[in-house]
Formats: sequence, C-alpha cells, structure tokens
Amino acid sequence: GQNIDQPTEMTATEGAIVQINCTYQTSGFNGLFWYQQHAGEAPTFLSYNVLDGLEEKGRFSSFLSRSKGYSYLLLKELQMKDSASYLCAVSVSGGSYIPTFGRGTSLIVHP
Amino acid sequence: KAGVTQTPRYLIKTRGQQVTLSCSPISGHRSVSWYQQTPGQGLQFLFEYFSETQRNKGNFPGRFSGRQFSNSRSEMNVSTLELGDSALYLCASSSASGGAQEQFFGPGTRLTVL
Repeated sequence: GQNIDQPTEMTATEGAIVQINCTYQTSGFNGLFWYQQHAGEAPTFLSYNVLDGLEEKGRFSSFLSRSKGYSYLLLKELQMKDSASYLCAVSVSGGSYIPTFGRGTSLIVHP
Repeated sequence: KAGVTQTPRYLIKTRGQQVTLSCSPISGHRSVSWYQQTPGQGLQFLFEYFSETQRNKGNFPGRFSGRQFSNSRSEMNVSTLELGDSALYLCASSSASGGAQEQFFGPGTRLTVL
C-alpha cells in the first residue's frame, strides 16, 4: 500500500511564502499530484510531477524528489483566497494508476 | 465545456436504507472515479469505471457498488446504510483510465445518515 504524510494545518500571513510538505512511501511510484480544495467545494488540480525538480506555475510551484519520497508545494505572495485544504496524492504504476490521497493540509492565511 | 455534475447535492437517510448517487462526467471523458471524503480519513478511493467496466476497486465493503452507462454517466449505490457512511461523496472524471490523468471533480453529494 501507500503511506502519505502531510501536516494537518498551517497558518501564514498575507503576502508571505509558505511551503507545504508531503512525504510518501510507496512501491511503483508513478507521479504526484497536488490539489486545492476550498471549504465546501470540489478539489481542483494544481500540479502533477513525474520527474525530479521544481515546476513553476504562476504563484504556485511544486517540487519532487523521487529518491527521497518527498514533495512540496510552494505558494508565493499569499492571498486570503489561498486559504484552503491542499491535498497531496500519489499515483502508482500497474493496474489503473488510481491516485491515493493524503489527508490534506489546511492552510489558513490571515491579514 | 460543462463540468462534472452530481445529483443530488444533499441527502438525508436513516440507517438501513439504501441510496443511489449520480454523476455525469465532462463530455468526452470516459473514466469516472468515486471517492468518499470524511474529516478523519480524508479522500478515499471507492472505484473507477471506464467504458462501462469497473477497472479498480478500493477497500470498501460490498454494500458499496456502482455502474457506468454507455453515455459514461455513473451511479453509485450504498445499501443498508450505516451511521459511518455519512460523508461527502465525490466523483471525478478524466479523459482516460489511469491516475496519470488530471481528474476533474464534481461538487459532491453530502450524505447524512441518521
């Protein structure tokens, strides 16, 4: 099976930078997703990393280290609307590659 | 392009009853996955359907079942409801089978079992 670990909750100040970490233990690792979920809404896709390194997409960047079983999501220039839950999910090769989700990190951005 | 739709949005049932939830994927998407989301367990995979065939199944009891129709719409059924089945049920569609594809989630059905 897969084991995915991420912090339960984080707080940060508007305008700051925050890094949300995700560690995983799995066999047959294929790739890692990050999703954002606002309270009462559906998760929305942020990024998908397959190779090691940093991928930047506007204010959001995602990093992956396959050898360390580690990823992080970096949010810059935080805005109040970034307050949400951030879900890390791992897909494994073989079968249908169904992603396994972590329990999510609730990010609270305050003024 | 319309997003993933789920009906109903809210549902209240009592223990022992059964319930059917519906999901319409994005037009052209043939893969539909179902998830259960609770505060304690997070998002847990129930099953995935692709071209009317169940491709994968999560670790849930047989009371949870599903099906997919030729137009890719999917239904999920839970029989003999238990209090612990209270959760947000999300469906997600993607263009192909396999978790390497980005999944588009519907708004969910909030099920409360009394």
